[in-house]
Amino acid sequence: QKEVEQDPGPLSVPEGAIVSLNCTYSNSAFQYFMWYRQYSRKGPELLMYTYSSGNKEDGRFTAQVDKSSKYISLFIRDSQPSDSATYLCAMSGGGSYIPTFGRGTSLIVHP
Amino acid sequence: DADVTQTPRNRITKTGKRIMLECSQTKGHDRMYWYRQDPGLGLRLIYYSFDVKDINKGEISDGYSVSRQAQAKFSLSLESAIPNQTALYFCATSDMSSGVGNEQFFGPGTRLTVL
Repeated sequence: QKEVEQDPGPLSVPEGAIVSLNCTYSNSAFQYFMWYRQYSRKGPELLMYTYSSGNKEDGRFTAQVDKSSKYISLFIRDSQPSDSATYLCAMSGGGSYIPTFGRGTSLIVHP
Repeated sequence: DADVTQTPRNRITKTGKRIMLECSQTKGHDRMYWYRQDPGLGLRLIYYSFDVKDINKGEISDGYSVSRQAQAKFSLSLESAIPNQTALYFCATSDMSSGVGNEQFFGPGTRLTVL
Protein backbone atom coordinates (compact mmCIF):
# COMPACT_ATOMS: atom_id res chain seq x y z
CA GLN A 1 0.00 0.00 0.00
CA LYS A 2 1.31 3.44 -0.95
CA GLU A 3 1.68 6.05 1.77
CA VAL A 4 -0.69 8.36 -0.11
CA GLU A 5 -3.65 7.04 -2.09
CA GLN A 6 -5.47 9.10 -4.70
CA ASP A 7 -7.99 7.96 -7.29
CA PRO A 8 -6.59 8.82 -10.75
CA GLY A 9 -10.03 9.33 -12.30
CA PRO A 10 -10.77 10.79 -14.76
CA LEU A 11 -13.51 12.76 -13.08
CA SER A 12 -15.84 14.44 -15.59
CA VAL A 13 -18.33 17.07 -14.41
CA PRO A 14 -20.49 19.75 -16.03
CA GLU A 15 -19.58 23.40 -15.69
CA GLY A 16 -20.88 24.87 -12.44
CA ALA A 17 -20.73 21.61 -10.48
CA ILE A 18 -19.13 21.24 -7.08
CA VAL A 19 -16.08 19.03 -7.33
CA SER A 20 -14.66 16.95 -4.51
CA LEU A 21 -11.13 15.54 -4.80
CA ASN A 22 -9.75 13.32 -2.07
CA CYS A 23 -6.64 11.60 -0.75
CA THR A 24 -6.06 9.17 2.05
CA TYR A 25 -2.75 8.57 3.78
CA SER A 26 -1.19 6.18 6.26
CA ASN A 27 1.67 8.18 7.83
CA SER A 28 0.38 9.85 11.00
CA ALA A 29 3.49 12.07 11.09
CA PHE A 30 2.29 14.13 8.12
CA GLN A 31 1.54 17.71 9.18
CA TYR A 32 1.67 19.70 5.94
CA PHE A 33 -0.96 19.00 3.31
CA MET A 34 -0.78 20.48 -0.15
CA TRP A 35 -2.68 20.46 -3.39
CA TYR A 36 -0.88 21.00 -6.67
CA ARG A 37 -2.57 21.67 -10.00
CA GLN A 38 -0.98 20.47 -13.22
CA TYR A 39 -2.20 21.59 -16.61
CA SER A 40 -1.45 19.50 -19.67
CA ARG A 41 2.19 19.79 -20.78
CA LYS A 42 3.10 21.89 -17.73
CA GLY A 43 4.77 21.30 -14.39
CA PRO A 44 2.67 21.13 -11.20
CA GLU A 45 1.99 24.39 -9.34
CA LEU A 46 1.04 24.74 -5.69
CA LEU A 47 -2.66 25.57 -5.37
CA MET A 48 -3.25 25.42 -1.63
CA TYR A 49 -1.64 24.16 1.53
CA THR A 50 -2.90 23.46 5.04
CA TYR A 51 -1.00 22.87 8.24
CA SER A 52 -2.41 20.20 10.56
CA SER A 53 -6.19 19.80 10.67
CA GLY A 54 -8.95 22.12 9.62
CA ASN A 55 -10.21 23.99 6.62
CA LYS A 56 -8.73 26.64 4.41
CA GLU A 57 -10.63 28.63 1.81
CA ASP A 58 -9.33 30.58 -1.17
CA GLY A 59 -11.94 31.85 -3.56
CA ARG A 60 -13.73 28.89 -5.11
CA PHE A 61 -11.32 26.40 -3.52
CA THR A 62 -11.56 24.85 -0.05
CA ALA A 63 -8.99 22.46 1.39
CA GLN A 64 -10.01 20.22 4.26
CA VAL A 65 -7.88 17.99 6.47
CA ASP A 66 -9.19 15.33 8.83
CA LYS A 67 -6.16 13.90 10.62
CA SER A 68 -8.23 11.51 12.73
CA SER A 69 -9.40 9.78 9.54
CA LYS A 70 -6.17 10.45 7.61
CA TYR A 71 -8.23 11.98 4.85
CA ILE A 72 -7.87 15.24 2.94
CA SER A 73 -10.16 16.89 0.43
CA LEU A 74 -10.16 19.70 -2.08
CA PHE A 75 -13.52 21.21 -3.01
CA ILE A 76 -14.01 23.36 -6.07
CA ARG A 77 -17.22 25.40 -6.22
CA ASP A 78 -18.76 26.64 -9.47
CA SER A 79 -16.27 24.62 -11.48
CA GLN A 80 -15.10 26.10 -14.78
CA PRO A 81 -13.63 24.52 -17.92
CA SER A 82 -10.38 26.27 -17.01
CA ASP A 83 -10.25 24.07 -13.88
CA SER A 84 -9.66 21.05 -16.12
CA ALA A 85 -6.29 19.72 -15.00
CA THR A 86 -4.67 17.02 -12.91
CA TYR A 87 -4.77 17.68 -9.17
CA LEU A 88 -2.07 16.12 -7.03
CA CYS A 89 -2.18 15.96 -3.27
CA ALA A 90 1.14 16.07 -1.41
CA MET A 91 2.07 15.70 2.23
CA SER A 92 5.13 16.10 4.41
CA GLY A 93 6.11 16.05 8.05
CA GLY A 94 7.75 13.94 10.73
CA GLY A 95 11.13 15.58 10.20
CA SER A 96 11.10 15.23 6.42
CA TYR A 97 10.29 18.26 4.30
CA ILE A 98 10.27 16.25 1.11
CA PRO A 99 6.63 15.81 0.12
CA THR A 100 5.07 12.50 -0.74
CA PHE A 101 2.77 12.90 -3.74
CA GLY A 102 -0.44 11.14 -4.62
CA ARG A 103 -0.88 9.81 -8.16
CA GLY A 104 -3.04 12.75 -9.18
CA THR A 105 -6.71 12.95 -10.21
CA SER A 106 -7.56 14.05 -13.74
CA LEU A 107 -10.49 16.50 -13.70
CA ILE A 108 -12.46 17.42 -16.81
CA VAL A 109 -15.03 20.22 -16.59
CA HIS A 110 -17.15 20.31 -19.72
CA PRO A 111 -19.19 23.34 -20.83
CA ASP B 1 11.26 34.49 -17.95
CA ALA B 2 10.74 31.06 -16.39
CA ASP B 3 12.25 30.63 -12.93
CA VAL B 4 13.01 26.92 -13.44
CA THR B 5 14.10 25.86 -16.91
CA GLN B 6 14.76 22.41 -18.31
CA THR B 7 16.59 21.39 -21.45
CA PRO B 8 15.81 19.69 -23.69
CA ARG B 9 12.00 19.80 -23.61
CA ASN B 10 11.69 16.71 -25.74
CA ARG B 11 14.20 13.99 -26.50
CA ILE B 12 14.06 10.73 -28.39
CA THR B 13 17.01 8.41 -27.93
CA LYS B 14 17.95 4.79 -28.43
CA THR B 15 18.55 2.02 -25.95
CA GLY B 16 22.09 2.11 -24.56
CA LYS B 17 22.74 5.78 -25.25
CA ARG B 18 23.92 8.17 -22.57
CA ILE B 19 21.71 11.18 -22.08
CA MET B 20 21.80 14.22 -19.85
CA LEU B 21 18.86 16.37 -18.80
CA GLU B 22 19.69 19.81 -17.48
CA CYS B 23 17.93 22.06 -15.01
CA SER B 24 18.66 25.68 -14.18
CA GLN B 25 16.92 28.01 -11.75
CA THR B 26 16.97 31.71 -11.08
CA LYS B 27 14.94 31.55 -7.86
CA GLY B 28 18.03 31.44 -5.63
CA HIS B 29 16.76 28.27 -3.94
CA ASP B 30 19.17 25.91 -2.26
CA ARG B 31 17.22 22.68 -2.72
CA MET B 32 16.76 20.95 -6.05
CA TYR B 33 15.00 17.72 -7.05
CA TRP B 34 14.51 15.39 -9.99
CA TYR B 35 11.23 13.52 -10.44
CA ARG B 36 9.79 11.28 -13.08
CA GLN B 37 6.09 11.12 -13.85
CA ASP B 38 4.44 8.11 -15.41
CA PRO B 39 0.73 7.66 -16.19
CA GLY B 40 -1.00 6.10 -13.21
CA LEU B 41 2.11 6.26 -11.02
CA GLY B 42 2.29 9.94 -10.23
CA LEU B 43 5.51 11.74 -9.32
CA ARG B 44 8.41 9.67 -8.07
CA LEU B 45 11.57 11.16 -6.61
CA ILE B 46 14.83 10.17 -8.31
CA TYR B 47 17.47 12.33 -6.58
CA TYR B 48 17.57 15.46 -4.48
CA SER B 49 20.18 17.93 -3.35
CA PHE B 50 19.97 20.34 -0.42
CA ASP B 51 23.09 22.25 -1.41
CA VAL B 52 26.02 22.01 -3.83
CA LYS B 53 27.88 19.41 -1.76
CA ASP B 54 24.83 17.35 -0.87
CA ILE B 55 23.39 14.59 -3.10
CA ASN B 56 20.78 12.07 -1.95
CA LYS B 57 19.05 9.14 -3.57
CA GLY B 58 15.32 9.18 -3.85
CA GLU B 59 12.76 6.45 -4.30
CA ILE B 60 13.96 5.28 -7.73
CA SER B 61 17.62 6.19 -8.27
CA ASP B 62 18.79 2.99 -10.01
CA GLY B 63 19.93 3.71 -13.55
CA TYR B 64 20.30 7.44 -12.91
CA SER B 65 23.04 9.76 -11.66
CA VAL B 66 23.10 13.47 -10.92
CA SER B 67 25.50 16.36 -10.72
CA ARG B 68 25.02 19.63 -8.83
CA GLN B 69 27.37 21.92 -10.72
CA ALA B 70 26.33 25.08 -8.90
CA GLN B 71 23.53 26.26 -6.67
CA ALA B 72 21.51 27.05 -9.76
CA LYS B 73 22.23 23.93 -11.84
CA PHE B 74 21.29 20.29 -11.32
CA SER B 75 21.73 17.70 -14.06
CA LEU B 76 20.28 14.22 -14.39
CA SER B 77 22.09 11.56 -16.42
CA LEU B 78 20.99 8.23 -17.77
CA GLU B 79 24.24 6.36 -18.34
CA SER B 80 22.70 3.69 -20.55
CA ALA B 81 19.10 4.46 -21.39
CA ILE B 82 16.50 1.69 -21.46
CA PRO B 83 12.89 1.79 -22.73
CA ASN B 84 11.30 1.72 -19.27
CA GLN B 85 12.97 5.06 -18.59
CA THR B 86 10.56 6.59 -21.08
CA ALA B 87 8.70 9.17 -18.99
CA LEU B 88 8.13 12.84 -18.24
CA TYR B 89 10.95 14.23 -16.10
CA PHE B 90 10.57 17.25 -13.84
CA CYS B 91 13.10 19.33 -12.01
CA ALA B 92 11.91 21.18 -8.92
CA THR B 93 13.35 23.63 -6.43
CA SER B 94 12.49 24.71 -2.91
CA ASP B 95 13.79 27.17 -0.38
CA MET B 96 15.05 25.90 2.98
CA SER B 97 13.83 29.07 4.65
CA SER B 98 10.31 28.87 3.24
CA GLY B 99 9.15 26.92 6.24
CA VAL B 100 5.68 25.58 5.85
CA GLY B 101 5.27 22.59 3.60
CA ASN B 102 8.49 23.02 1.66
CA GLU B 103 6.64 24.33 -1.39
CA GLN B 104 8.24 23.03 -4.55
CA PHE B 105 8.51 24.96 -7.81
CA PHE B 106 8.55 22.80 -10.90
CA GLY B 107 10.09 23.27 -14.30
CA PRO B 108 8.11 22.64 -17.50
CA GLY B 109 9.31 19.06 -17.85
CA THR B 110 11.32 17.01 -20.33
CA ARG B 111 9.51 14.33 -22.31
CA LEU B 112 12.00 11.50 -22.85
CA THR B 113 11.39 8.56 -25.17
CA VAL B 114 13.81 5.65 -25.25
CA LEU B 115 13.38 3.40 -28.28
